[in-house]
Amino acid sequence: EVELVESGGGLVQPGGSLRLSCAASGITFSNYWMSWVRQAPGKGLEWVANIKQDGSDIYYADSVKGRFTISRDSAKNSLYLQMNSLRAEDTAVYYCAIFQIVANGVWVFDPWGQGTLVTVSS
Amino acid sequence: DIQMTQSPSSLSASVGDRVTITCRTSQSISIYLNWYQQKPGKVPKPLISAASSLQSGVPSRFSGSGSGTDFTLTISSLQPEDSATYFCQQSYSNPYTFGQGTKVEIK
Repeated sequence: EVELVESGGGLVQPGGSLRLSCAASGITFSNYWMSWVRQAPGKGLEWVANIKQDGSDIYYADSVKGRFTISRDSAKNSLYLQMNSLRAEDTAVYYCAIFQIVANGVWVFDPWGQGTLVTVSS
Repeated sequence: DIQMTQSPSSLSASVGDRVTITCRTSQSISIYLNWYQQKPGKVPKPLISAASSLQSGVPSRFSGSGSGTDFTLTISSLQPEDSATYFCQQSYSNPYTFGQGTKVEIK
């Protein structure tokens, strides 16, 4: 069974940094694109970043570009999100998810981890 | 960026009702449209991919249709366990945007 477990969330002051981790099990981690998706409290879902299997292709949402860095370590079956220059509007639950092709060549976020809460506040 | 507009933002219906949620995109995305269900306090779960393909284990009362810019998620006979927020999401191009969500409540 596939399991994704996020960690590293917490309370941080505006302008601070935080590094999130996502440990994957039950899959051949190096076979999959991976993603971070976030959800502000009581709000909708926002895609944050994607990374290709070997890390050679990376994409970011404009809202985090230049401040967040997605990376992965296949030897550790782990995905990371380094978040710098954090703002109040970055407050959210951060989910890691596998981004994979399903029916008819369409990509879908599946499955998702349980998420880790990041709170940016003074 | 492709904008996603879901409607309604919330609805209240009775058990057994037919429920329809729509998602409109700002440009044509063929069938690159997914639907997710998120129950309170839970993780989003994919229901339908490629506009109309039911994910494994999803009850057959859920169905999806549409292509281009207009898509629909239908629950043919609403059940108590369907109380949740439903999101559409496009996989046509980066950034992979989500709709704002439709909260479905049971009367």
